[in-house]
Amino acid sequence: EVQLLESGGGLVQPGGSLRLSCAASGFSFSSYAMSWVRQAPGKGLEWVSTISDNGGSTYYADSVKGRFTISRDNSKNTLSLLVSSLRADDTAEYYCVKTLVSVAIYYFDFWGQGTLVTVSS
Amino acid sequence: SYELTQPPSVSVSPGQTARITCSGDVLAKQYAYWYQQKPGQAPVLVIYKDSERPSGIPERFSGSSSGTEVTLTISGVQAEDEADYYCQSADSSDTWVFGGGTKLTVL
Repeated sequence: EVQLLESGGGLVQPGGSLRLSCAASGFSFSSYAMSWVRQAPGKGLEWVSTISDNGGSTYYADSVKGRFTISRDNSKNTLSLLVSSLRADDTAEYYCVKTLVSVAIYYFDFWGQGTLVTVSS
Repeated sequence: SYELTQPPSVSVSPGQTARITCSGDVLAKQYAYWYQQKPGQAPVLVIYKDSERPSGIPERFSGSSSGTEVTLTISGVQAEDEADYYCQSADSSDTWVFGGGTKLTVL
C-alpha cells in the first residue's frame, strides 16, 4: 500500500524558513518523480515543485522559484522541500505527491494527507 | 488568473449526468488530468490522459476532449460524488497548472 507521510509544517514568521519532509513507502520510491502541491485555505490547488526520479532535474513554479528547494534521498525514501523567505501567501497545506509522466506532462497519481504551513507574525 | 478555466460550480440531482468543463489553449496540444477532492481529504486522480480511468475509479467517471476544451462526465451521479474537481495540464515548458476548481453539488 502506497503511503506518503508529510511532516515539518508549522507556524513561522514572515521571512522565515522551514524544511518539509515526506516519508514514502509501499512503492519503489527511486523509480518515480515526486512533487509538492499546495492549497491555501479555502482555495484551489497550486503546483509548487517536481523532482525527477534520480534527482537530476528539478522544476519550480514561478511563485516559489529562488525561495524553495526540492530534494530527495532515495536511500531513505524521503522527499524534502526547503521553504525560505516565507510570505503570508505561502500559507497553505503542502501535499507530497507521487508523480507520473506522460508525453512530457507530470501528473499526480497519489497524494499524502498534507502538512500545514502558516506564515504569520 | 488561471490558464485553465473551469466553472465555479455545477449542480445535479442524484442519478443525473454531471458535466464539468475545463478550457485552455494548452489543451489543444496537451493531455488533461482530473482530480476529485472531498472536504478534508487529499485529492484523488480520477481521469488521466483526457479519458483514461485509473484502477479503482468507478466506470461512471469518464473524460473527453475537443479542441481547447476537456470535459469530465459523471453518469448516474451519486451523493458520494459531491466534491471539488480540478483539471490539470501543462502551462509553459516544464511547469504544470491546475484549473480553478469546480464544486459539484448533488441536490
